[in-house]
Amino acid sequence: EDQVTQSPEALRLQEGESSSLNCSYTVSGLRGLFWYRQDPGKGPEFLFTLYSAGEEKEKERLKATLTKKESFLHITAPKPEDSATYLCAVQAGSSGSRLTFGEGTQLTVNP
Amino acid sequence: GAVVSQHPSWVICKSGTSVKIECRSLDFQATTMFWYRQFPKQSLMLMATSNEGSKATYEQGVEKDKFLINHASLTLSTLTVTSAHPEDSSFYICSAHYSYEQYFGPGTRLTVT
Repeated sequence: EDQVTQSPEALRLQEGESSSLNCSYTVSGLRGLFWYRQDPGKGPEFLFTLYSAGEEKEKERLKATLTKKESFLHITAPKPEDSATYLCAVQAGSSGSRLTFGEGTQLTVNP
Repeated sequence: GAVVSQHPSWVICKSGTSVKIECRSLDFQATTMFWYRQFPKQSLMLMATSNEGSKATYEQGVEKDKFLINHASLTLSTLTVTSAHPEDSSFYICSAHYSYEQYFGPGTRLTVT
């Protein structure tokens, strides 16, 4: 059974204080690992897809990396508008295009 | 590109009535769409996979007769909550598969009174 565990559950940062969110996964035949951002009362917003170990992708203050067991979402010099819940999901080779989600990390960036 | 819309964004209905939620891919065709529900402070729970022109595939524990899914075209899937009860109150979100990725709609807040 595919499993995704995100840590920490919640993270409070001061503006400009860089940190990382973790996503550990167990999946049979990873097809892709996805990162989404979700604001309260809204649907998830696509951030990145990573397909193979060693791959990295960047977007503004965010950088996602992937190993064979986990993914990190690095946030550099965050701003209050980066406050949101960040969701990680995996797509397994045996599950078609279905995604299995982690519980998310709620990030709060204080000014 | 890759925009998914949902309608309505919120709905209030009385217990025992049915409510339909639409999910549309606006600028692409989606042979596969997904329906999720999300409770407060929790992650997304997949309810069913909707395939254009065929029957939906429901996840274990999801009542197919209660949550009717129709994927009549490559840009539209609908979820009908039949005989709604207060425990069906939740945030329902759809997504569409496009080019190896999945894009989500803005969600529909359902409140059953």
